[in-house]
Amino acid sequence: GNSVTQMEGPVTLSEEAFLTINCTYTATGYPSLFWYVQYPGEGLQLLLKATKADDKGSNKGFEATYRKETTSFHLEKGSVQVSDSAVYFCALKASGGGADGLTFGKGTHLIIQP
Amino acid sequence: EAEVAQSPRYKITEKSQAVAFWCDPISGHATLYWYRQILGQGPELLVQFQDESVVDDSQLPKDRFSAERLKGVDSTLKIQPAELGDSAMYLCASSGQGREQFFGPGTRLTVL
Repeated sequence: GNSVTQMEGPVTLSEEAFLTINCTYTATGYPSLFWYVQYPGEGLQLLLKATKADDKGSNKGFEATYRKETTSFHLEKGSVQVSDSAVYFCALKASGGGADGLTFGKGTHLIIQP
Repeated sequence: EAEVAQSPRYKITEKSQAVAFWCDPISGHATLYWYRQILGQGPELLVQFQDESVVDDSQLPKDRFSAERLKGVDSTLKIQPAELGDSAMYLCASSGQGREQFFGPGTRLTVL
């Protein structure tokens, strides 16, 4: 079946540091890949997505590239801010068919210190 | 800005009791999803509706969980009887025409 594995947290960084959160997946076919963010006390929000190999999703300074050869979709940001503190979830949506529920990783708690 | 509404936001119940959660998707969204998020884990799909029809309920524990979307708009998820292991956040999401899923704020259930 489909699965997503992401690095466990918490990840603690200083403000302006470079961020990488690793995500790898297992799926048949050509899934779409997503990063969702959950700020404290709020619901899940889509951060970025990529729908095919070599696509790069980007938003709010975050980027992730769909790498089919390594089945990865690592999240990066060049300079993090305290406001980026949140839980980040990598997710996939299987290709084809009407059932398109998301498969999520366990989440990575990011803590940015001033 | 349109949002997915859920109620209640918090629910505390004793085991063996019945509980129900309600979700109102974004207007016009035909697809509705219920997910369960156990503390420290990612959300797991319980059921997906397309209009009023169930598309996927393969992960729904049907001996105690039920879900309905009678008029193809809002939806109710029920647990009867609740067990200690059901304590979790229950998330509702909706999407239009196979596009991005928008999530509601969730209902946090505590079973004592």
